[in-house]
Amino acid sequence: AAGVIQSPRHLIKEKRETATLKCYPIPRHDTVYWYQQGPGQDPQFLISFYEKMQSDKGSIPDRFSAQQFSDYHSELNMSSLELGDSALYFCASTRGVHEKLFFGSGTQLSVL
Amino acid sequence: SQELEQSPQSLIVQEGKNLTINCTSSKTLYGLYWYKQKYGEGLIFLMMLQKGGEEKSHEKITAKLDEKKQQSSLHITASQPSHAGIYLCGAGGRDDKIIFGKGTRLHILP
Repeated sequence: AAGVIQSPRHLIKEKRETATLKCYPIPRHDTVYWYQQGPGQDPQFLISFYEKMQSDKGSIPDRFSAQQFSDYHSELNMSSLELGDSALYFCASTRGVHEKLFFGSGTQLSVL
Repeated sequence: SQELEQSPQSLIVQEGKNLTINCTSSKTLYGLYWYKQKYGEGLIFLMMLQKGGEEKSHEKITAKLDEKKQQSSLHITASQPSHAGIYLCGAGGRDDKIIFGKGTRLHILP
């Protein structure tokens, strides 16, 4: 069965650069979530989209933006990268509220 | 805001032993999720509980949600090396995002 696809798997950037992370949800899933997980930390909710509209916002810095496209894939854009942005970024998708989230394998971002 | 507290933070057990991980919420749970994570990898869905008193099992893992829907436990019977990893409980409130506890790191000794 198809799973949530994230790309790239690994990304190395320097401070003040920009990065774009992509997420392709499971077919027919209409909701996408983005989470950030620092080393040894629990995943922190960043932002979510339902039917291409932002549905909720968590602890996402102003330097980050995201959107969901007509094909339901989502992109997380990160600008002016800081060392503290180094983390594992997860995308999860679901269909409906209070349904189980399926997570991608994550994008490991390293900011040098 | 809702907070989830997991205990213990880490656990080391001998292979073949049983173990229990707990998750306590500061508010009533509308949906309680258990996920497993290997280091640096994605979260694998284990179980979701929604009704007070609900209990679900999958292979050697059993999860329960108490009647008041503020606490859940995950029980592993006859642990195996494949059970090692980080177990995260997640809770969905009235809105549609899931927040996570800080995780329980499980190590299995051969």
